[in-house]
Amino acid sequence: QMQLQESGPGLVKPSQTLTLTCTVSGGSVTSGAYYWNWIRQHPGKGLEWIGYIYYSGATHYNPSLRSRTSISLDTSTNQFSLRLSSVTAADTAVYYCVRNCGGDCSPTLFHHWGQGTLVSVSS
Amino acid sequence: DIQMTQSPSSLSASVGDRVTITCQASQDVSNFVNWFQQKPGKAPNLLIYGASNLEAGVPSRFSGSGSGTHFTFIISSLQPEDFATYYCQQYENVPTFGGGTKVELK
Repeated sequence: QMQLQESGPGLVKPSQTLTLTCTVSGGSVTSGAYYWNWIRQHPGKGLEWIGYIYYSGATHYNPSLRSRTSISLDTSTNQFSLRLSSVTAADTAVYYCVRNCGGDCSPTLFHHWGQGTLVSVSS
Repeated sequence: DIQMTQSPSSLSASVGDRVTITCQASQDVSNFVNWFQQKPGKAPNLLIYGASNLEAGVPSRFSGSGSGTHFTFIISSLQPEDFATYYCQQYENVPTFGGGTKVELK
C-alpha cells in the first residue's frame, strides 16, 4: 500500500522559506493516476488546502497562498516538495502531504494522507 | 472562496446515539462534498465522498446526503471509536473545509 511521509525542519525563522518534502513509497510520483497535494492545519483549528502537482509538472495553488507557494516533483527520489516563502507566525501549522483517489477522481478528493509534520515559525 | 459552515461545532453524545452534523455551502457545490474523521494527533481519514458515497472499509453506520448547498452527515449508532472531530470539505472549486465538529462523550 502506498505510504506518504513528510520531512523537513520543525522550526523556521520569520521571513525565511519553509521547505518540506514528501517521500512516496509503494508507488510512483510519475504515475498519471494521482495528484499530489499539500494541506495544512493551524494548531487547534481547521484545514487549509495549499496546492497540488500532477506528474506532468502542472500545478494549481490556493489563490490565498499562490504568490508564496511552489510545489515541485523529484522523480529521481520519488518525492514531491513544498516551498512557502516569506513565512510569518501565521504559517505555523501541521503540514500534510496528501494523494487524491486516482483514476478519474477529482485532484482534490483527498484520499490518502501522510502523518503530518509540525512546522513552527519563530525567531 | 466557497465557505462551508459546519454545525454544531461540538456535541456531547452517548454510545448508541444517533449523531447528525450539517454543512452549509455559501454557493452551489453540486455533490462535491466529502466528510472526514480526525482523531487527536492523526491525519484526517476520508469517510464519505461525493456527498453520499461510503469509502471502502468504512462502517455502514456512517452516511451522508445532500446536494447544492445543504449537506448532512449521520452516525446512526455512535460507537466508542467514533469520538473524534469531523470535517466537511467541498471540492467543486478551490477546496475548502468546514470548521469541524468535535464529538465528545456525554
